[in-house]
Amino acid sequence: SQKIEQNSEALNIQEGKTATLTCNYTNYSPAYLQWYRQDPGRGPVFLLLIRENEKEKRKERLKVTFDTTLKQSLFHITASQPADSATYLCALASSGSARQLTFGSGTQLTVLP
Amino acid sequence: EADIYQTPRYLVIGTGKKITLECSQTMGHDKMYWYQQDPGMELHLIHYSYGVNSTEKGDLSSESTVSRIRTEHFPLTLESARPSHTSQYLCASSQTAHYEQYFGPGTRLTVT
Repeated sequence: SQKIEQNSEALNIQEGKTATLTCNYTNYSPAYLQWYRQDPGRGPVFLLLIRENEKEKRKERLKVTFDTTLKQSLFHITASQPADSATYLCALASSGSARQLTFGSGTQLTVLP
Repeated sequence: EADIYQTPRYLVIGTGKKITLECSQTMGHDKMYWYQQDPGMELHLIHYSYGVNSTEKGDLSSESTVSRIRTEHFPLTLESARPSHTSQYLCASSQTAHYEQYFGPGTRLTVT
C-alpha cells in the first residue's frame, strides 16, 4: 500500500543551525511533492512545491530536494530561528485528473534559543 | 494570508444533534476540500469538489455530507453527531491550474 513516512521523532535543534527534515514514500509515483507548515490549532500553510523533474528548489532560508530514485525528499531550514518551531508536513500528488494530495503525519520541529 | 474562512472555530455538541460546518473562500478557486485531522496525526481527505454541483468522497470514509451550490461556499453537514466524530475539520481550496492548497483555520468539534 502507499505510504508516506516523516521523521518519527520530534526534532530539536539550536538556533542558527540547519534543520533537516525527511520525507520518504513507498508505492508511489508522485508528480510533485509539497511541504507545509502547521502551527498548533491552525490549518497548514503552503511553503514549497517541487516537481518530479526538479532536483532542488529554494525559497529564502528554505531548500527542498527531491530524489525519485531514493523516493525521498529533504527539507532544510538554514539559520533556524525559534519562530521556525512548528510541525512540517510533506504531501504528495500523483499525476492524473484527480491531483489530490496525500499528507504525511508531520515532523515537529523545535528551535531552541 | 489566504482568504478562506471556517465557522465555528470550536463546537461542543451533544450526541444526535445535526451540525453544519461552514467554509467560504473569496479567491474564486474551483477546487475545495474537507480534511479530518486528529492530534498528531496526518490529514485525511473526506470530501472534495471540483466546482459547482460537483462533490466526491475522499479516501477516508465519513458519515458527513457536503454541497457546492456556489463557488465560494462548501459546507459540511453531520446529520446525527456521535462521539466518534470528535476531531479537527479543515477546509482548503486551490486553483485548478495550481497545486498548492490554502487552508482555513479549522473547526475543532467535540461531541459529548
